[in-house]
Amino acid sequence: KAGVTQTPRYLIKTRGQQVTLSCSPISGHRSVSWYQQTPGQGLQFLFEYFSETQRNKGNFPGRFSGRQFSNSRSEMNVSTLELGDSALYLCASSPGTGHYEQYFGPGTRLTVT
Amino acid sequence: GENVEQHPSTLSVQEGDSAVIKCTYSDSASNYFPWYKQELGKRPQLIIDIRSNVGEKKDQRIAVTLNKTAKHFSLHITETQPEDSAVYFCAASRSGNEKLTFGTGTRLTIIP
Repeated sequence: KAGVTQTPRYLIKTRGQQVTLSCSPISGHRSVSWYQQTPGQGLQFLFEYFSETQRNKGNFPGRFSGRQFSNSRSEMNVSTLELGDSALYLCASSPGTGHYEQYFGPGTRLTVT
Repeated sequence: GENVEQHPSTLSVQEGDSAVIKCTYSDSASNYFPWYKQELGKRPQLIIDIRSNVGEKKDQRIAVTLNKTAKHFSLHITETQPEDSAVYFCAASRSGNEKLTFGTGTRLTIIP
């Protein structure tokens, strides 16, 4: 099976802009979770989507949003970018139905200048 | 919410020796505890996990132990090798909840 893929791998944006990141889960997995990884805050949960519905949400401002499509692919959007949004954004997929294992994609490195 | 503490933050061991990383969690309802290994510039990789109905699990040179009463779990790596050098993260979650709460990570360095 192909692993989790994320696009793009690298992004450079300016403060105030918005950005959309994409994640394709492992075939057959219906849950996609998003995490932000920074040196200062570590790995923090953003939100999780299952069957096109947001099922869990972390403690991030409303500028961070996401969605999931019928093929389980997911996107996350960050509006009005701030310098502090610079991070590695990782998505993880899992079957989402009582199977807990989550498998991560390679991440998107976002730099906000 | 859940809080996971991880110690030590850095660990250096001689090749061939054992390494132990410890985590404590706060939410007694947590029942799934995975460990991830992240090499520089790579994605976190699931290396072993344990559920709350089991006290210990082994997979070749790695093992995880869980003490539900004390709310702590540990990763044990025996016969360490240079390729074990990486950052290791513990995490915890509740049944039916995909949200993983991560520890702050341990940078393990294996000294040849």
